Amino acid sequence: EPEVTQTPSHQVTQMGQEVILRCVPISNHLYFYWYRQILGQKVEFLVSFYNNEISEKSEIFDDQFSVERPDGSNFTLKIRSTKLEDSAMYFCASSESLARTDTQYFGPGTRLTVL
Amino acid sequence: AQSVTQLGSHVSVSEGALVLLRCNYSSSVPPYLFWYVQYPNQGLQLLLKYTTGATLVKGINGFEAEFKKSETSFHLTKPSAHMSDAAEYFCAVTSMNSGNTPLVFGKGTRLSVIA
Repeated sequence: EPEVTQTPSHQVTQMGQEVILRCVPISNHLYFYWYRQILGQKVEFLVSFYNNEISEKSEIFDDQFSVERPDGSNFTLKIRSTKLEDSAMYFCASSESLARTDTQYFGPGTRLTVL
Repeated sequence: AQSVTQLGSHVSVSEGALVLLRCNYSSSVPPYLFWYVQYPNQGLQLLLKYTTGATLVKGINGFEAEFKKSETSFHLTKPSAHMSDAAEYFCAVTSMNSGNTPLVFGKGTRLSVIA
């Protein structure tokens, strides 16, 4: 069964450093998402992406964040200058459409630890 | 704004016992409701969803949930717990008019199954 994959599974970085989290969505999906979960808190939506453009973004997704589809398979989340509060589990998801009823398929997550 | 409350961050049941995981939502418009499960080191997997129609929804692995508008609830149940059901369960809500947030999640409930 097709699945969303994410690399790395765990990333440790120093505060102020740039990190890139990578995702490979399901191949025939056109809509991609990033969510994050700070330890002990809710899974929160960050951004959705379609046709090489951001479709929607939350208040969390500020100027330090960016997303990109650098090639036909990868979808990346870049955090320019990491802060301690960016430590979280980051989930990538993909779906066939942007319809609210459509299922989003999630990857296993990348645990980001900022020291 | 929409929100989800999952009562109980940790639920423990005996093998063979009824599983009941509670989810209450807040939405000013008709909601679409989802239950996801996360097994260790895996992504969030859709268990079931309610969009329209029959309010009792059956999902994978013997789980079902009932949408009760009057109670703003979408509790997840399974008649007989199995050891393999031990996981984290997330309830999520969205709607046709959910603004910039495709999915709003609850905090999750960790289910333990005791032999």
